[in-house]
Amino acid sequence: NAGVTQTPKFQVLKTGQSMTLQCAQDMNHEYMSWYRQDPGMGLRLIHYSVGAGITDQGEVPNGYNVSRSTTEDFPLRLLSAAPSQTSVYFCASSSPLATKETQYFGPGTRLLVL
Amino acid sequence: SQQGEEDPQALSIQEGENATMNCSYKTSINNLQWYRQNSGRGLVHLILIRSNEREKHSGRLRVTLDTSKKSSSLLITASRAADTASYFCATGYSTLTFGKGTMLLVSP
Repeated sequence: NAGVTQTPKFQVLKTGQSMTLQCAQDMNHEYMSWYRQDPGMGLRLIHYSVGAGITDQGEVPNGYNVSRSTTEDFPLRLLSAAPSQTSVYFCASSSPLATKETQYFGPGTRLLVL
Repeated sequence: SQQGEEDPQALSIQEGENATMNCSYKTSINNLQWYRQNSGRGLVHLILIRSNEREKHSGRLRVTLDTSKKSSSLLITASRAADTASYFCATGYSTLTFGKGTMLLVSP
C-alpha cells in the first residue's frame, strides 16, 4: 500500500490564482481530512469527509472547497489564493472499524502564496 | 481552537536521557493520542490512551493520563538522536484537534 499520497510536494502561487491540492489513499478508509500547519500553531482542521459524497467544515474552512466523489480521493481547492494561505497542508485518513481514532497522514504539500 | 497545549515548547537533552512532554486539554475526552513529526514530514501515530486508562506503554514510550487534571504526559526513555522531532498530543475521533507541539532535540 502506498498509504496517503499528496501532490504536489511544493507549489508557489500568485495572489488570486486557484489550484487544487490532491490527496489519495489506497487503504479504503472512510474518513479523510485536510489540515494546515503554520509555525507555532500546530495543525488546524480545514475540511473533512466521513464518506463519499459527504463533507463538512472544520475550524478554518474559509477560502477552501472540497469534494469527495470517491472513497480514495479528497482534493482541496483554493479558489483565490491569498498570502494568508501560505502553509503546509496535510491530508489524513482513518477508518472507524480498521484504525478507529488513529489517523494516517500524507507527507504534506508546502504552499507559498506571493 | 487548540484543544491541547504541550509543555515545554522545546526540549534539548543528551542521548541516553529521558524526555518528558506534557499536554493539557480543555474539554472532556474519550481518548488522547500522541503523534511524532520529523522535520518536513507528515505526522506518525505513536500511542493512544483511552479515558479509562491511566498509563500505557509502547517500547520506550510511556503515556499517562489524568482526566481529573485534564493532562497527559509522554515519557521517552533512553532517548536517541533519531528521536529528534516534534511531538503533538491530539484528541478526537473522526477528526483530531492538536496542540502546538513540543520540539525535542536529542544530541549525540
